Amino acid sequence: DSGVTQTPKHLITATGQRVTLRCSPRSGDLSVYWYQQSLDQGLQFLIQYYNGEERAKGNILERFSAQQFPDLHSELNLSSLELGDSALYFCASSAGDLGGEQFFGPGTRLTVL
Amino acid sequence: ILNVEQSPQSLHVQEGDSTNFTCSFPSSNFYALHWYRWETAKSPEALFVMTLNGDEKKKGRISATLNTKEGYSYLYIKGSQPEDSATYLCANFGNEKLTFGTGTRLTIIP
Repeated sequence: DSGVTQTPKHLITATGQRVTLRCSPRSGDLSVYWYQQSLDQGLQFLIQYYNGEERAKGNILERFSAQQFPDLHSELNLSSLELGDSALYFCASSAGDLGGEQFFGPGTRLTVL
Repeated sequence: ILNVEQSPQSLHVQEGDSTNFTCSFPSSNFYALHWYRWETAKSPEALFVMTLNGDEKKKGRISATLNTKEGYSYLYIKGSQPEDSATYLCANFGNEKLTFGTGTRLTIIP
């Protein structure tokens, strides 16, 4: 158990809908990262927050947004969902914001029908 | 090298044998190299984070080396056991983000 929690575990929704994925980092970690893993693709970095502020951005679509709250939990919002958004979404956390070991949550499996 | 590349893509090894695989990464804008172990139906688990050229790290039967000048890292597993079966991911931390390779899928044959 990494200490990172994600909810929900599974999510099934329809195209055009909006969903919110939630992540609580390990106690004491200030950075939260979001990754997407689609079929036959590696882990793709989406976005990082450090202590409430956006720190780095990867290949995140404009339809997706995230935030980190004062209690350091983070939410990833996915809107106008398309079939291609079906994937496993991981959240990870680390103590600092520069290159340190990341601890991954169990992931949220999103299926868009 | 523009992206993180891992080879081989998959590997079958007899129990008890030793094995190794490679991660290549852009040597420019390098800050840290990560190795993760990812078992089926679980989440990736950090093995090593390496930053210094020539660095060598060890955890039990698993070790890794790093060459930042030429942009590669090797992961070694000595005396493979069935529980070593997993996908091994490397990732380069540069330009403020972690870029993952597609992994080496290791299967240990009992």
